Amino acid sequence: DQQVKQNSPSLSVQEGRISILNCDYTNSMFDYFLWYKKYPAEGPTFLISISSIKDKNEDGRFTVFLNKSAKHLSLHIVPSQPGDSAVYFCAADKTGANNLFFGTGTRLTVIP
Amino acid sequence: GAGVSQSPSNKVTEKGKDVELRCDPISGHTALYWYRQSLGQGLEFLIYFQGNSAPDKSGLPSDRFSAERTGGSVSTLTIQRTQQEDSAVYLCASSLARGTTSLGDEQFFGPGTRLTVL
Repeated sequence: DQQVKQNSPSLSVQEGRISILNCDYTNSMFDYFLWYKKYPAEGPTFLISISSIKDKNEDGRFTVFLNKSAKHLSLHIVPSQPGDSAVYFCAADKTGANNLFFGTGTRLTVIP
Repeated sequence: GAGVSQSPSNKVTEKGKDVELRCDPISGHTALYWYRQSLGQGLEFLIYFQGNSAPDKSGLPSDRFSAERTGGSVSTLTIQRTQQEDSAVYLCASSLARGTTSLGDEQFFGPGTRLTVL
């Protein structure tokens, strides 16, 4: 049972444009959400997170938006750069859990 | 390097054989996690260690899977009588402890072991 879903397996964006990666979840007990970035042959690395008490968190070119009523979050990257090309995983956490719940990932390709 | 390391990076084995995957966490990290990423799937939680004990084995897919951790450091994930559906990338992560903020902010991943069962 996939509690965190990323319905777009891939996304291509022109350099300089905005990349929007989407994520949906089903468990209303999740209270913290994260995005990880993964390059080939490397482990995922933490990118940005948001607590469920917020609806937006910004860090440089990266902004995460949370819509709790829709159980939806998105990652915006602007402007997109070729070095952003990677697989992006959405993950969710709930108080007391011993693990994160990950989506299936979206492969972002930024075209120079 | 101070990161999480895993070995081997790639493992090809025949169906029915046993395999051992190793994880060296970041020094001082008491919590250690094993995840699995199968083709087209997200990262699937397998097991969590706090020190040498495993309070949460809920993700282990079958009794062919086991893991241990010794000295509060190195962990080994063992898969007995491997099956083709065990083919996946096995990722290890470590963290200092379950903190007050999200678990994920503190979780550092290794590069993974790609297991292929023929």
